[in-house]
Amino acid sequence: KNEVEQSPQNLTAQEGEFITINCSYSVGISALHWLQQHPGGGIVSLFMLSSGKKKHGRLIATINIQEKHSSLHITASHPRDSAVYICAGGPDKLIFGTGTRLQVFP
Amino acid sequence: DAGITQSPRHKVTETGTPVTLRCHQTENHRYMYWYRQDPGHGLRLIHYSYGVKDTDKGEVSDGYSVSRSKTEDFLLTLESATSSQTSVYFCAISQGVLVGTEAFFGQGTRLTVV
Repeated sequence: KNEVEQSPQNLTAQEGEFITINCSYSVGISALHWLQQHPGGGIVSLFMLSSGKKKHGRLIATINIQEKHSSLHITASHPRDSAVYICAGGPDKLIFGTGTRLQVFP
Repeated sequence: DAGITQSPRHKVTETGTPVTLRCHQTENHRYMYWYRQDPGHGLRLIHYSYGVKDTDKGEVSDGYSVSRSKTEDFLLTLESATSSQTSVYFCAISQGVLVGTEAFFGQGTRLTVV
């Protein structure tokens, strides 16, 4: 069992749908990172959170420390949201999930 | 965007040859990291640096060495490339320890060892 697990591994959606990507971890963490990786591109940090909720535009990230679970939500999804979304956390070094590949179709 | 540049972006090399990848930053961040990304795995840490001439191993450091002689440059060397080192390599920087600080990543270097 990986210490940081994401679900689902793959996700397809129609434009406008509400998207949820989940991240569960079994290690202690200082903070949970959400990253975005576009095809052929680099990796961009979306959020870093240690409690509660953060919002940036149509993206919302939540974390429940007691349940060791975080979610990334995308409201009113758009084809440009198509990417791999990665969560990462750890006690002293970041442990990365394997990513959720999201495809949003028009 | 954070000023972080990786070079080369793509490289094909032969088994047994040495290869050096460069990560250059203009942010004056203390910490620099090298990761590799392979199908079915999350990003895995190869080596990291917490200051000039201060480096330490990550979880997959065998066959790799690093050097940091200046704040802005972090070099990753494959001493004798093998096919198992075919991967996409990412450099990352952060102001503090990465677990509690925002990370900035380079565009990646796709290395193929034939």
